[in-house]
Amino acid sequence: KNQVEQSPQSLIILEGKNCTLQCNYTVSPFSNLRWYKQDTGRGPVSLTIMTFSENTKSNGRYTATLDADTKQSSLHITASQLSDSASYICVVSDRGSTLGRLYFGRGTQLTVWP
Amino acid sequence: EADIYQTPRYLVIGTGKKITLECSQTMGHDKMYWYQQDPGMELHLIHYSYGVNSTEKGDLSSESTVSRIRTEHFPLTLESARPSHTSQYLCASRRGTPTSEQYFGPGTRLTVT
Repeated sequence: KNQVEQSPQSLIILEGKNCTLQCNYTVSPFSNLRWYKQDTGRGPVSLTIMTFSENTKSNGRYTATLDADTKQSSLHITASQLSDSASYICVVSDRGSTLGRLYFGRGTQLTVWP
Repeated sequence: EADIYQTPRYLVIGTGKKITLECSQTMGHDKMYWYQQDPGMELHLIHYSYGVNSTEKGDLSSESTVSRIRTEHFPLTLESARPSHTSQYLCASRRGTPTSEQYFGPGTRLTVT
């Protein structure tokens, strides 16, 4: 069964600190992995998209890594800000159809305290 | 900011009412999607469309229906709303390549009393 598991479920950190969110998946055949940020009451916004051949990709203070062999990904946030408080969703796409079906994790709820 | 819009943003209605949730995008994307999301849970695909006059049901069974008469417009209709339909509904669109970015609208928070 194709699944995407994220940990931790929730995380509280102080402003300025770094953190790392984890994503494990069983989706096969793999096409790409995406990280989204979703603010409360809003739609998700894309942070990174990585294909099989990419090990790391950065977007400002966000750095995603991918290990396609172990089917794991992480999202590292550097020097956190209050505006980073949101749900971070890991999404994996398969190659089973023309476009690729998206499998969503439940997200990690990050809270940044001042 | 993505050019994909949803109205209304919030809706509270009584049981049995017919409602239509609007979704439109100005990016010329062929592929459009409707997702349902409950608090703290993952997004579930309920409908998708690969172009005009093309609609398919997603993974999560839904009593809603959709139509795609124009490329930019993908409305979702509930003929008779029930409390079990209370949820957040997210519309999305993307181009037709595997690694194309999927853009989401702001969502409609529906409450059926």
